[in-house]
Amino acid sequence: GQSLEQPSEVTAVEGAIVQINCTYQTSGFYGLSWYQQHDGGAPTFLSYNALDGLEETGRFSSFLSRSDSYGYLLLQELQMKDSASYFCAPSGSARQLTFGSGTQLTVLP
Amino acid sequence: DVKVTQSSRYLVKRTGEKVFLECVQDMDHENMFWYRQDPGLGLRLIYFSYDVKMKEKGDIPEGYSVSREKKERFSLILESASTNQTSMYLCASSLGQGGQPQHFGDGTRLSIL
Repeated sequence: GQSLEQPSEVTAVEGAIVQINCTYQTSGFYGLSWYQQHDGGAPTFLSYNALDGLEETGRFSSFLSRSDSYGYLLLQELQMKDSASYFCAPSGSARQLTFGSGTQLTVLP
Repeated sequence: DVKVTQSSRYLVKRTGEKVFLECVQDMDHENMFWYRQDPGLGLRLIYFSYDVKMKEKGDIPEGYSVSREKKERFSLILESASTNQTSMYLCASSLGQGGQPQHFGDGTRLSIL
């Protein structure tokens, strides 16, 4: 079967670092993607990990451990504009993604 | 930049109507997807297509059908709309395989009365 777990809500202050964890179970696995969605907006792609380890893109980093079926998104130097929903999305096939319910991140001044 | 365009931002229809949601992408992407998004449930895949005239069921295909007659266009059809199909519908496209990003349209907020 398939399952996906990530926290429903996270709150942090401006300038802080926050980590959003994701554990997954899929029948097949190609990689783990992360998407950001602001209220009223469309999801936008942040990162993709196919191999174990850390991928860094500016203030955002994403980590994957295939053996643990676990990944996380790390957001550094938080800004107010980072308040959004963040979705981890494992690829159970070459083309498809499975989206969870997402994590609502609130950044406080 | 990839542009995914959904025909309507807001749509109100009545129970029992046949409803068409249109999606067009301008980047020659092979893959196109239809999701619905509901509070607390995230994005759920309804159907996807990886080539013209090809379609695959997603996680919640019941009550929906799709059409892909041209590569750039992917239509979602509600054969007989019901109130439980009131939702935000999101179309996406992607290129090839192996973790290529999905590019989303702005969504259609559909209300079935």
